[in-house]
Amino acid sequence: KQEVTQIPAALSVPEGENLVLNCSFTDSAIYNLQWFRQDPGKGLTSLLLIQSSQREQTSGRLNASLDKSSGRSTLYIAASQPGDSATYLCAAGYGPVIWGLGTSLAVNP
Amino acid sequence: GAVVSQHPSRVICKSGTSVKIECRSLDFQATTMFWYRQFPKKSLMLMATSNEGSKATYEQGVEKDKFLINHASLTLSTLTVTSAHPEDSSFYICSARDPQKGGYTFGSGTRLTVV
Repeated sequence: KQEVTQIPAALSVPEGENLVLNCSFTDSAIYNLQWFRQDPGKGLTSLLLIQSSQREQTSGRLNASLDKSSGRSTLYIAASQPGDSATYLCAAGYGPVIWGLGTSLAVNP
Repeated sequence: GAVVSQHPSRVICKSGTSVKIECRSLDFQATTMFWYRQFPKKSLMLMATSNEGSKATYEQGVEKDKFLINHASLTLSTLTVTSAHPEDSSFYICSARDPQKGGYTFGSGTRLTVV
């Protein structure tokens, strides 16, 4: 069964910290992996997309890595800001997408 | 880039009524679209795969007669929640494969509240 697990479920950090969110998937035969941000009561915002042939993608303060062999992806957020507070979801693309539960991040001023 | 437009973003309806949610691919053709639902404290779950010109494929446990999916054209898929019930209150989101980037592009989602 294809499953996606995100650790930790919740994270609270002071502003300015660098942090890592983890995502693991059971079936390594993915086409790609995406990281999303979900703000309370709002829709999803796509952050980074990593194709199965790639190892990482970067956008601003965000860096996502992909290790298919170990079934893991990490999202690195540098110099966190209060505006980064949201739920971060990872989604493994097989045909349709299998979602993790998300990591709820709170960045405190 | 490929954009999927989803409307409405929020809707409140009375129990027993029907609500239609639209998902449009704006600058590309999508023969397949996916509909997801998010339960409280649960991950987004695939409800059904919408196929242009044919019947949708529903995941186990999803009521076909309650969640009607129509994919009449290459750019439009609709999800109609029939005889809405408070338990249908949820966040619904559609997606399609991005033909350029190969990932999935998502609509902005619809938050449905049934009162």
